[in-house]
Amino acid sequence: EADIYQTPRYLVIGTGKKITLECSQTMGHDKMYWYQQDPGMELHLIHYSYGVNSTEKGDLSSESTVSRIRTEHFPLTLESARPSHTSQYLCASSDRYGRNYGYTFGSGTRLTVV
Amino acid sequence: AQRVTQPEKLLSVFKGAPVELKCNYSYSGSPELFWYVQYSRQRLQLLLRHISRESIKGFTADLNKGETSFHLKKPFAQEEDSAMYYCAHLRAAGNKLTFGGGTRVLVKP
Repeated sequence: EADIYQTPRYLVIGTGKKITLECSQTMGHDKMYWYQQDPGMELHLIHYSYGVNSTEKGDLSSESTVSRIRTEHFPLTLESARPSHTSQYLCASSDRYGRNYGYTFGSGTRLTVV
Repeated sequence: AQRVTQPEKLLSVFKGAPVELKCNYSYSGSPELFWYVQYSRQRLQLLLRHISRESIKGFTADLNKGETSFHLKKPFAQEEDSAMYYCAHLRAAGNKLTFGGGTRVLVKP
């Protein structure tokens, strides 16, 4: 079934560790996005990609980095996790135009840095 | 700054009562607007697109360019409508979605 998958669902990790949040979609979408969301707050775009080898920073400055080596895969990496990175991270994808069907979101990764 | 504003953080209504979630935007031109919903323990999902003028789960949303609003309405709320609702605008430049702060709807029996 075509969908978008995020792993892990929950992650608790110590300060200073390197982490990678995985996001994969089987929908054949060109565009992929990462949003950051604190509990009960709005979603902020932190990274987006229009296709392979295309990545851009979003509206909210983030210390994370992303890569897009394959169309279906858009991982997010934090080289050195800090407590300020504690948040929920949502991955999404859309077709070329976005306006037709909006975005499809993954289930999210809730990250806690202790 | 271009923004999407949802003035109500929480709406609490009784089952069978009407519910209206407010959304205002500050973009010029022809906006592309959406409503997303997140039920408890489920992922964020698309509820309505303004371009389709559809009614989903009894919800409708009308774009009012004069008031720059895209309010979501349902005449008779059900308990299963309890969820978090987000209004969003799709920016033409880059196809990027900007979200409002969200409104939590609680439908009491």
